[in-house]
Amino acid sequence: AQSVTQPDIHITVSEGASLELRCNYSYGATPYLFWYVQSPGQGLQLLLKYFSGDTLVQGIKGFEAEFKRSQSSFNLRKPSVHWSDAAEYFCAVGGDRRGSTLGRLYFGRGTQLTVWP
Amino acid sequence: NAGVTQTPKFQVLKTGQSMTLQCAQDMNHNSMYWYRQDPGMGLRLIYYSASEGTTDKGEVPNGYNVSRLNKREFSLRLESAAPSQTSVYFCASSGVNNRGSTFGSGTRLTVV
Repeated sequence: AQSVTQPDIHITVSEGASLELRCNYSYGATPYLFWYVQSPGQGLQLLLKYFSGDTLVQGIKGFEAEFKRSQSSFNLRKPSVHWSDAAEYFCAVGGDRRGSTLGRLYFGRGTQLTVWP
Repeated sequence: NAGVTQTPKFQVLKTGQSMTLQCAQDMNHNSMYWYRQDPGMGLRLIYYSASEGTTDKGEVPNGYNVSRLNKREFSLRLESAAPSQTSVYFCASSGVNNRGSTFGSGTRLTVV
């Protein structure tokens, strides 16, 4: 069955420091992979997604993620964190590529990012 | 603005009461989903509708029912609310290529 693991529940970084949020997935075929961000009291906003092709994916707000099939990972990175990046981040894997379940997502439990000024 | 609209944004229910959460999307998406979000649990799928006229159970369907009213609207009903259903509920939709879902802003439900 599909599953997503985000090993870090909470990460604290200083503003201007680099960031890497880890995500590992379990999936029987080539997955669709996503990172979403959620600010307090808000819905989820899509940061970036991977379907195929270049394994380094660029997203919004200066984020990028790299798909590594050999490690079943899709880690999110940002070279220099801004205070406004403080939020909760969710990694998700898409459902089966065939058929009607394609769009359903399996989420990790999230990583809460705190940014020190 | 195009997107997914959920109503209400907040609701408090007494145990045993019923209510329906409404969701509508204006992106002409085929598929729609209901998730619940609980602290430390991420989002879990309750029900989904791959296309108009079809619905299927997700990971945590017990205590809920859904109706895909038309292509735009997908409602979630709690027939007899329980404190365990206190959560934030998100509706989402995705298009033909299903390349990522668009989420509503959520409904925060408290059952006392």
